Amino acid sequence: LAKTTQPISMDSYEGQEVNITCSHNNIATNDYITWYQQFPSQGPRFIIQGYKTKVTNEVASLFIPADRKSSTLSLPRVSLSDTAVYYCLVGGITGGGNKLTFGTGTQLKVEL
Amino acid sequence: GAVVSQHPSRVICKSGTSVKIECRSLDFQATTMFWYRQFPKQSLMLMATSNEGSKATYEQGVEKDKFLINHASLTLSTLTVTSAHPEDSSFYICSAESAGNTDTQYFGPGTRLTVL
Repeated sequence: LAKTTQPISMDSYEGQEVNITCSHNNIATNDYITWYQQFPSQGPRFIIQGYKTKVTNEVASLFIPADRKSSTLSLPRVSLSDTAVYYCLVGGITGGGNKLTFGTGTQLKVEL
Repeated sequence: GAVVSQHPSRVICKSGTSVKIECRSLDFQATTMFWYRQFPKQSLMLMATSNEGSKATYEQGVEKDKFLINHASLTLSTLTVTSAHPEDSSFYICSAESAGNTDTQYFGPGTRLTVL
């Protein structure tokens, strides 16, 4: 299982763009990169997933360089409600039973 | 789409009793479901992998006789904490794997178990 490394915490202010970078040096060829958001006492919520280059959806963008050893989650114009823990995970397509190993995650705190 | 539910959302029980937690994929079929445990201020820890119609695979250190898992259908998996003790108090979260190109996991809202 590829391990990931993220900053433990980040602080930001409302309206700013936040970029959270994750290192996954041992990512395998068939591994996808997935980001989840978790609020206290709730299950993780899927944010975005990608394999290479850039992926964008209605809530975030995911930037993946050519070597895929890192990825950056970009949250545009954050608000107070974006205060949460963000997890970066890598996992392969195994045809089922894709075990994920959660790291420490990044605690994002957004202030006024 | 890809909604996973858990029931109950919270439960308080006496030491020595058993508690069953249900995990359902509401709008997709999940051949594989996972059970996690999360203690306060910590990350999620995988307990077991549950495959429909077969025995669950437990992670090292997780007692299979204490945490009974049943995956009877493509939309339902249950976790039973047997003879619960205060140290089993935790936040239990399930996920269901949406079969397809990326095997994405979608998580349930979690169940808060408190053992008195």
